[in-house]
Amino acid sequence: AQSVSQHNHHVILSEAASLELGCNYSYGGTVNLFWYVQYPGQHLQLLLKYFSGDPLVKGIKGFEAEFIKSKFSFNLRKPSVQWSDTAEYFCAVIDSWGKLQFGAGTQVVVTP
Amino acid sequence: DSGVTQTPKHLITATGQRVTLRCSPRSGDLSVYWYQQSLDQGLQFLIQYYNGEERAKGNILERFSAQQFPDLHSELNLSSLELGDSALYFCASSYSSYNEQFFGPGTRLTVL
Repeated sequence: AQSVSQHNHHVILSEAASLELGCNYSYGGTVNLFWYVQYPGQHLQLLLKYFSGDPLVKGIKGFEAEFIKSKFSFNLRKPSVQWSDTAEYFCAVIDSWGKLQFGAGTQVVVTP
Repeated sequence: DSGVTQTPKHLITATGQRVTLRCSPRSGDLSVYWYQQSLDQGLQFLIQYYNGEERAKGNILERFSAQQFPDLHSELNLSSLELGDSALYFCASSYSSYNEQFFGPGTRLTVL
């Protein structure tokens, strides 16, 4: 069965530090890839998505992600985080049958 | 605002009771998804409907059922409620199974 793995459950970092969250998936065919963010007390919002084309995708709020097909990875990055980036981040994958799978989420805490 | 609406925002009820949660998808979206989010279980996919028909099932209990109506709104019915059913229930919609999902604000269910 398809699975999505997020390597870190909790990440704590200081403002201005760089952030990288790992996401790996198990499905070998064509996939659509997403990162969602859930700020405290809010619903999930789309950060960025990858369907095809340039494997480096830029999203909102300075986030970007890189699709590496050979590694089955779609890691999320931000060069310099702010306190307002404190949130839970979810990686999600849709396979060629349209089946969506979310990762378990990574809780990110940015300290002032 | 994602364009997905959910009612009610909060629901407090007793064990053994039955409740109905309602979701209206974004205009033009044909797929509706239901998720349960709790501290111990994280984000769990429950069920998906596409244009009125059940498309995919996740970790949905037999006490739970859902339907999507001709006007594409959806209802999630939870019966014989238990304390462990207390959670945030999110609805999401998308145009198709391959597109990004847009999440509603959620219904917080508290079972006492």
